[in-house]
Amino acid sequence: DQQVKQNSPSLSVQEGRISILNCDYTNSMFDYFLWYKKYPAEGPTFLISISSIKDKNEDGRFTVFLNKSAKHLSLHIVPSQPGDSAVYFCAARDGSGAGSYQLTFGKGTKLSVIP
Amino acid sequence: NAGVTQTPKFRILKIGQSMTLQCAQDMNHNYMYWYRQDPGMGLKLIYYSVGAGITDKGEVPNGYNVSRSTTEDFPLRLELAAPSQTSVYFCASRLSNEQFFGPGTRLTVL
Repeated sequence: DQQVKQNSPSLSVQEGRISILNCDYTNSMFDYFLWYKKYPAEGPTFLISISSIKDKNEDGRFTVFLNKSAKHLSLHIVPSQPGDSAVYFCAARDGSGAGSYQLTFGKGTKLSVIP
Repeated sequence: NAGVTQTPKFRILKIGQSMTLQCAQDMNHNYMYWYRQDPGMGLKLIYYSVGAGITDKGEVPNGYNVSRSTTEDFPLRLELAAPSQTSVYFCASRLSNEQFFGPGTRLTVL
């Protein structure tokens, strides 16, 4: 039972265009959402996050949108750069306090930015 | 700061062998986590710790043990390695809402 779903295993985008990565969740107790970026042979690194009380958070080229009613969030990268090529994981935190704020991860989306 | 460090980077075990994956952080974080990532899958939580002397099971704890004698160190123990434990293991520590990950240990059990 996947509580966090990233339905697109891969995405290819031309350099300079927008990349949109999607994530859906099922657990209503999730109150905080994060995106992590992972390069091969490295650990995930934090990219951007959003609290459930907001619907948008922006940091430079990266913007995360949250639609609570649809239980959907998306990560927008504009403009996309070749260095953005990586696997992106969506993660969600259970705000009920159970499990000390464990994160539940999606399976990841591999983004390839084509020069 | 070195952040979160993990050793070894790679290891091959035979079925039934045991080993300890080491994890250390120098950020004085109370919360630490162990995850495994299987090919094509997301990270799954094995064990976590909220501070020295306190540990608890995550989603997939079977076949593993942990200890937390200091704030800095959080080793993961495999007692009887099985092929199903072939995976990449990540350790993380947490400050506020963000978890910081180590580079991972790639373990193969043959």
